Amino acid sequence: DVKVTQSSRYLVKRTGEKVFLECVQDMDHENMFWYRQDPGLGLRLIYFSYDVKMKEKGDIPEGYSVSREKKERFSLILESASTNQTSMYLCASSSLGGVSYEQYFGPGTRLTVT
Amino acid sequence: QQPVQSPQAVILREGEDAVINCSSSKALYSVHWYRQKHGEAPVFLMILLKGGEQKGHDKISASFNEKKQQSSLYLTASQLSYSGTYFCGTRANAGGTSYGKLTFGQGTILTVHP
Repeated sequence: DVKVTQSSRYLVKRTGEKVFLECVQDMDHENMFWYRQDPGLGLRLIYFSYDVKMKEKGDIPEGYSVSREKKERFSLILESASTNQTSMYLCASSSLGGVSYEQYFGPGTRLTVT
Repeated sequence: QQPVQSPQAVILREGEDAVINCSSSKALYSVHWYRQKHGEAPVFLMILLKGGEQKGHDKISASFNEKKQQSSLYLTASQLSYSGTYFCGTRANAGGTSYGKLTFGQGTILTVHP
């Protein structure tokens, strides 16, 4: 059974803290993604990686950075957390092969910044 | 730019039909549909490729009109299990490093009552 796991389901951090969100996939997928999900705004792509150490900015990269040192792991970093980064964060992965590029999502991390 | 979904929300009784629309301002290569049940990760439903094809998944089908840059998701004889948020994801390019990347709409909340 394919799996994408995220390090925490719920996280509470203070303004200004450095925050790490970890994502691991066990499907040997080349592509990995970080989204944030907010009511009425849907899923918005923060960053995308198509290979180890390779990354591309998504639609809302400001205030975030990413790291992909190993194929199975993709980390999202909030250098200095702010209250407007309170959100649900979803990680996903997909293969480069096939036609559908179906994305498999993790369960999400609900981050609250106080 | 995000595709626009309509309606934003729909409420049905079991057995009724619904249509969810997804419109883009860009030329599209493919449209992908996902469903997210409450408290769960989004799950892939189907992909429609350029070519105007129609696909089906149980009693859920979809069409893609590439000239109008629109896709529609048809849910017939709805069941309680259809409740959730439906997202369309669009891809503009067939190739390049970003070809696994999708731009998602804001979502349509579907509620099916007994």
